[in-house]
Amino acid sequence: QVHLQESGPGLVKPSQTLSLTCSVSGGSISNGDYYWSWIRQHPGKGLERIGYIYHSGRTYYNPSLESRVIISVDTSKNQFSLKLSSVSAADTAVYYCAREGFGVKYFDYWGQGILVTVSS
Amino acid sequence: DIQMTQSPSSLSASVGDRVTITCQASQDINNYLNWYQQKPGKAPKLLIYDASNLAGGVPSRFSGSGSGTHFTFTISSLQPEDIATYYCQQYNALPPVTFGQGTKLEIK
Repeated sequence: QVHLQESGPGLVKPSQTLSLTCSVSGGSISNGDYYWSWIRQHPGKGLERIGYIYHSGRTYYNPSLESRVIISVDTSKNQFSLKLSSVSAADTAVYYCAREGFGVKYFDYWGQGILVTVSS
Repeated sequence: DIQMTQSPSSLSASVGDRVTITCQASQDINNYLNWYQQKPGKAPKLLIYDASNLAGGVPSRFSGSGSGTHFTFTISSLQPEDIATYYCQQYNALPPVTFGQGTKLEIK
């Protein structure tokens, strides 16, 4: 059973950088059949994929966030990470990491989510 | 981006009722449509993939159908534990995937 767990600060000041890590267990992040994604959900709202990374380091970013996002992977630790710069209150959301299918693009395993609040 | 329009945005039904939610895509997405269930405070859970395939361990009262631009998600007999928000998600327009806005299901 694959398990994902987000970690990082729950409070970030405006203009600073949000940094989160997703630790994967029960499966290798180097499995070529999957992308590793970050998805966020604003309070009471729907779901928005931020981007994904493949084990090779290839990334995709949502165009609406592309200028502020970096997703990286550490295969030796079986982790991948999200950095979102220049945050504002509009970035307050629950952030999820998830495994995304390579062919059939569904999200089959998710972390529990971490609420990140942007506030001074 | 492809827009996904779910309806209704909320609905109230009784235990045992048949419940149907629809998802309309702004352009043809073949059958590249998935459905998720999200309970309060929890991550979404995959229920249906490729429009009509039941994900592993998902009860058979859940089903999906459709192709092209119109899709339907059905619960054949609503159970109390089905109270959640349901989302559709398309992946035809690679790489962006987009989600519907969600349907909140409540017990009457």
